Amino acid sequence: RKEVEQDPGPFNVPEGATVAFNCTYSNSASQSFFWYRQDCRKEPKLLMSVYSSGNEDGRFTAQLNRASQYISLLIRDSKLSDSATYLCVVNTGNTPLVFGKGTRLSVIA
Amino acid sequence: ETGVTQSPTHLIKTRGQQVTLRCSSQSGHNTVSWYQQALGQGPQFIFQYYREEENGRGNFPPRFSGLQFPNYSSELNVNALELDDSALYLCASSQIYRGSTEAFFGQGTRLTVV
Repeated sequence: RKEVEQDPGPFNVPEGATVAFNCTYSNSASQSFFWYRQDCRKEPKLLMSVYSSGNEDGRFTAQLNRASQYISLLIRDSKLSDSATYLCVVNTGNTPLVFGKGTRLSVIA
Repeated sequence: ETGVTQSPTHLIKTRGQQVTLRCSSQSGHNTVSWYQQALGQGPQFIFQYYREEENGRGNFPPRFSGLQFPNYSSELNVNALELDDSALYLCASSQIYRGSTEAFFGQGTRLTVV
């Protein structure tokens, strides 16, 4: 089983739609959780950290369920500029980041 | 911009050759990690350097080696290149040992082995 597993993509959604990405992780000792965004042929960039209480940043909401080892990202009112690959990332204290395979999102006009 | 720079941005090498990729970390960061990202995959951890010493390694063969310098910049060396080494190589700098685990990535080096 892979350490971090994500929904297979691609997700093709119309502008204005709400889309949700799911991610599970296998290491129960994982302490930090992130969503990164990666545009085509570019480097990953931090979208948001994920906290146990859940957190929101504008149209983006991240949730963490430690008991189920599950992370989610919700994007409301999708924009064309949201088209990218979204990477679920975890790490355990001072260990390196462990990335999921990523889920590709295409927002269509 | 993250302040992390990698060079070169693109590179074409022949199977069997050796390659050196370079990374200048963000000012104040003491940890550099290298990742390999094949097409359609997430980045895979190669190794990490903290204060000039390797302190973590992923599932990569010994022909992948590295260095970190006193100014915290870093090199990734790959010997005896294989076709499957074709990928985007990403460098990430961070201050893991100062309580922060956020990593900042460079723009990557796209290596093609022919």
